[in-house]
Amino acid sequence: GNSVTQMEGPVTLSEEAFLTINCTYTATGYPSLFWYVQYPGEGLQLLLKATKADDKGSNKGFEATYRKETTSFHLEKGSVQVSDSAVYFCALYVLTGGGNKLTFGTGTQLKVEL
Amino acid sequence: EAGVTQFPSHSVIEKGQTVTLRCDPISGHDNLYWYRRVMGKEIKFLLHFVKESKQDESGMPNNRFLAERTGGTYSTLKVQPAELEDSGVYFCASSSRTGIYEQYFGPGTRLTVT
Repeated sequence: GNSVTQMEGPVTLSEEAFLTINCTYTATGYPSLFWYVQYPGEGLQLLLKATKADDKGSNKGFEATYRKETTSFHLEKGSVQVSDSAVYFCALYVLTGGGNKLTFGTGTQLKVEL
Repeated sequence: EAGVTQFPSHSVIEKGQTVTLRCDPISGHDNLYWYRRVMGKEIKFLLHFVKESKQDESGMPNNRFLAERTGGTYSTLKVQPAELEDSGVYFCASSSRTGIYEQYFGPGTRLTVT
């Protein structure tokens, strides 16, 4: 089956620190990979995605590279801001064999302090 | 363009009572999904509608949960009778026929069963 494992939080960083949130996956078939973010009081928003190996998704200063050899999709940002405080979810989607559903990790809460 | 909306935002009910959650997808989106996050765990798929038809309901936990999408527009998810373990955040998402894996999420309904 399909599954996503991401690092447990909460993660607390100082503003301008470097962020890495680890995500690994197992999938039946060739998955597309996603990072979703949930800001306080809001719904899930798609942050970035990658659909094939070695693709790099990027948005709002965040990046993640699809690593097929290590089945990973780690989220990184060079300099976090207080406004990045949120819960981050790694997810995958398999076009064939996995139905039309997203498979999510448990989420990692990020808190950025001044 | 309005996003996915959900109602209510928060519901507190007693064990044994009935609750109905509503989701209004983005206009024109044929695909509608329900997901649930329980107690800080991963977000889990419940079911998927294509227009008014249930495409995949493999994630529905038991027969106390009933989802409908009459007319292929909004959807309701009824829990009857509610149990303590049903507490969590229920998310609705929608996607277009062509952008099937680009799912847009609503803010969620937080259900608390006491």
